[in-house]
Amino acid sequence: GESVGLHLPTLSVQEGDNSIINCAYSNSASDYFIWYKQESGKGPQFIIDIRSNMDKRQGQRVTVLLNKTVKHLSLQIAATQPGDSAVYFCAEVLGRATNKLIFGTGTLLAVQP
Amino acid sequence: SQTIHQWPATLVQPVGSPLSLECTVEGTSNPNLYWYRQAAGRGLQLLFYSVGIGQISSEVPQNLSASRPQDRQFILSSKKLLLSDSGFYLCAWSPQGRPQHFGDGTRLSIL
Repeated sequence: GESVGLHLPTLSVQEGDNSIINCAYSNSASDYFIWYKQESGKGPQFIIDIRSNMDKRQGQRVTVLLNKTVKHLSLQIAATQPGDSAVYFCAEVLGRATNKLIFGTGTLLAVQP
Repeated sequence: SQTIHQWPATLVQPVGSPLSLECTVEGTSNPNLYWYRQAAGRGLQLLFYSVGIGQISSEVPQNLSASRPQDRQFILSSKKLLLSDSGFYLCAWSPQGRPQHFGDGTRLSIL
């Protein structure tokens, strides 16, 4: 079936560097995407979302880019900090009434001090 | 503000025993509710969702069931647990068209 997947299972960066986490999706009907951060032993935490009528959205230290042509999503984290270490998931929203999420397998971001 | 509560945080159960995990949401009405399972080092798999009281949709065939007896209460159950039911169970809620918000999960170990 259709799914959302991530290119890099593990990403190791130095503190202060910028991080880029990538995600590919296959359902061209999806019009809403979300990035979540999950720390060990906790539930996923909402970071940022983007609708398909946008190609870029910025938050505090984070930016999400959406390329609908190649069905690609990325999360950029500026000045990565040790507290950013976590697993990051992109999710594709299917259906506005049900708001169901299809998650990828996740990318582990390890920030080296 | 809205909050979501899941309990217990951890649970160890023998094979063949029953299960009941509870999730409640505060500060909102008529939310969509969801149950997910997450295997170690993996993504989240949607098990059930509900758009209203008594309305349950199952996503995958399994040994589990869900119920929504009240607007802001979602329960995950099993009559007889299997070893394969071990995992991290997460409850989430959302208003329509908005991001889901997750509880802190229940770590279920089957012995």
